[in-house]
Amino acid sequence: SAVISQKPSRDICQRGTSLTIQCQVDSQVTMMFWYRQQPGQSLTLIATANQGSEATYESGFVIDKFPISRPNLTFSTLTVSNMSPEDSSIYLCSVETGHNEKLFFGSGTQLSVL
Amino acid sequence: SQQGEEDPQALSIQEGENATMNCSYKTSINNLQWYRQNSGRGLVHLILIRSNEREKHSGRLRVTLDTSKKSSSLLITASRAADTASYFCATYNNNDMRFGAGTRLTVKP
Repeated sequence: SAVISQKPSRDICQRGTSLTIQCQVDSQVTMMFWYRQQPGQSLTLIATANQGSEATYESGFVIDKFPISRPNLTFSTLTVSNMSPEDSSIYLCSVETGHNEKLFFGSGTQLSVL
Repeated sequence: SQQGEEDPQALSIQEGENATMNCSYKTSINNLQWYRQNSGRGLVHLILIRSNEREKHSGRLRVTLDTSKKSSSLLITASRAADTASYFCATYNNNDMRFGAGTRLTVKP
């Protein structure tokens, strides 16, 4: 299992600013995932972050808008850049431990952009 | 992109009743998982069923999988007010996990 500390838990931001979300895991994991959940919707994968390599972005998401860092096996950040109201969502980090295929999630960051 | 379609979108029942949620998907899978989300927070893994399994139990949860119909169901028996949450199915195939749209379950005390 894995325990993930995600912060901030929520923030209200102004249009045009950036917010960095942090996730700290209590164990070393190879792959970390960042998801977006728009209001009332399901989860959409933004990118997969492996330590020591560039993040892999899903279709519709680009590094300039959502830069990701993965400096070690227990930590990752996601930045939401140049925010607009359309970026208002819940952002979730998750990890997969070993090869058991189930995901553990952080508690989420609820972002509102005014 | 989303893989699973869930129904119903919302379900409201009385405490003590059973709740059944369904998930359909489109492509082949290694396994199918169900997650729970309280009030827009992080998801919690409930149960995993592999493609070669047909039924699985965990406490008050019962999951079925029909790969010929590409569908799964989650049954929560003897529901409690604390079961109120959103429930998502997720299909896993070759390191790719996709989530369904979710069912919002409300259990009235």
